[in-house]
Amino acid sequence: GENVEQHPSTLSVQEGDSAVIKCTYSDSASNYFPWYKQELGKRPQLIIDIRSNVGEKKDQRIAVTLNKTAKHFSLHITETQPEDSAVYFCAASGRRGGADGLTFGKGTHLIIQP
Amino acid sequence: DTAVSQTPKYLVTQMGNDKSIKCEQNLGHDTMYWYKQDSKKFLKIMFSYNNKELIINETVPNRFSPKSPDKAHLNLHINSLELGDSAVYFCASSQGGQGVPAFFGQGTRLTVV
Repeated sequence: GENVEQHPSTLSVQEGDSAVIKCTYSDSASNYFPWYKQELGKRPQLIIDIRSNVGEKKDQRIAVTLNKTAKHFSLHITETQPEDSAVYFCAASGRRGGADGLTFGKGTHLIIQP
Repeated sequence: DTAVSQTPKYLVTQMGNDKSIKCEQNLGHDTMYWYKQDSKKFLKIMFSYNNKELIINETVPNRFSPKSPDKAHLNLHINSLELGDSAVYFCASSQGGQGVPAFFGQGTRLTVV
């Protein structure tokens, strides 16, 4: 089945700086890569996603890049703000094998320092 | 209206008990899931289910069983609860099972004492 590795596990940046979180996946058949944000005590919420036919996608301060050849994808947050502090999860989906649904990375705790 | 809702939000119970967590979605999705989030925040899929097929993650003990009375509901029943079952359980739904986003419920924090 799919295996998703995510780094770093903790990331501390100054407010206003950029943050980058990286993930790799193992299954070349995966074709959908969402990112979720989970605030303390809350549910994971989708913030951006990308499909394998696209190399980059941007939504305001958030962007995601995908390198299919290398099987890695990254989340970029620019001009970070205190409300960006949360745990971020990458995920991959696409191959039928085991349960349907998303395989998640282990999460990155993003801390925005004022 | 909440899109994916779970009850209860908190559940404290003793070892050996049997308990259920309920989940309902009003998004009209055809696929529902249960995920477990452990103390290290790792999210792992337990089951996926649509009106045709239940797929079980092979690592899930058979004490856990999903039950779906209809397309909008997927409940989780747990027998003979163990200390290691303590976690947050998230229900989720999606339209289709692959290559689509999943929408999560608010979670049920299960504590086994």
